[in-house]
Amino acid sequence: GDSVTQMEGPVTLSEEAFLTINCTYTATGYPSLFWYVQYPGEGLQLLLKATKADDKGSNKGFEATYRKETTSFHLEKGSVQVSDSAVYFCALTSHTNAGKSTFGDGTTLTVKP
Amino acid sequence: EAQVTQNPRYLITVTGKKLTVTCSQNMNHEYMSWYRQDPGLGLRQIYYSMNVEVTDKGDVPEGYKVSRKEKRNFPLILESPSPNQTSLYFCASSLGPNTDTQYFGPGTRLTVL
Repeated sequence: GDSVTQMEGPVTLSEEAFLTINCTYTATGYPSLFWYVQYPGEGLQLLLKATKADDKGSNKGFEATYRKETTSFHLEKGSVQVSDSAVYFCALTSHTNAGKSTFGDGTTLTVKP
Repeated sequence: EAQVTQNPRYLITVTGKKLTVTCSQNMNHEYMSWYRQDPGLGLRQIYYSMNVEVTDKGDVPEGYKVSRKEKRNFPLILESPSPNQTSLYFCASSLGPNTDTQYFGPGTRLTVL
């Protein structure tokens, strides 16, 4: 079945540091890929997405590129802020098994001033 | 305001006492889904629904039931809860199942004693 593997956390960075959270996937066919963010005590919300190979999703300074050749969708941000502290989930939705969604385990990011 | 609502937000119950967690969306979305979030396991899909009267199993459906009699509502039913169903539950909805963003409810924290 489909699977998503995320970089293990927690990750602690200083403000203005560069962030990378790795995400690789296994899926049949060509899934859509997502990054969701969960702030403390809240539900998940979309951060960015890419629906086909080589697409780049971007939002709020975060970026991720859908790499079919390496089956990856790594999340990056050039300069993190304290307000970016949250849990980040990589996820895929299957095109061959419509309706199925698979999430990674989540990576907790803490940014210190 | 476009939103997904869940009730109750918090629930403590005892083994074997039937309960229902309600989920409602006001965005006229076709697709709805239930997830549970457990430490170290990320989000796992319980059930999903592509449309009214159409439901299907996710990765961890055992011990749960759902129904989709109306487009806006997708209740999660635990007929005989057990302690291993203690978890944080999220309902989500989207226009479609594959490329579209899922909108998540605020979560229901369930404790089964």
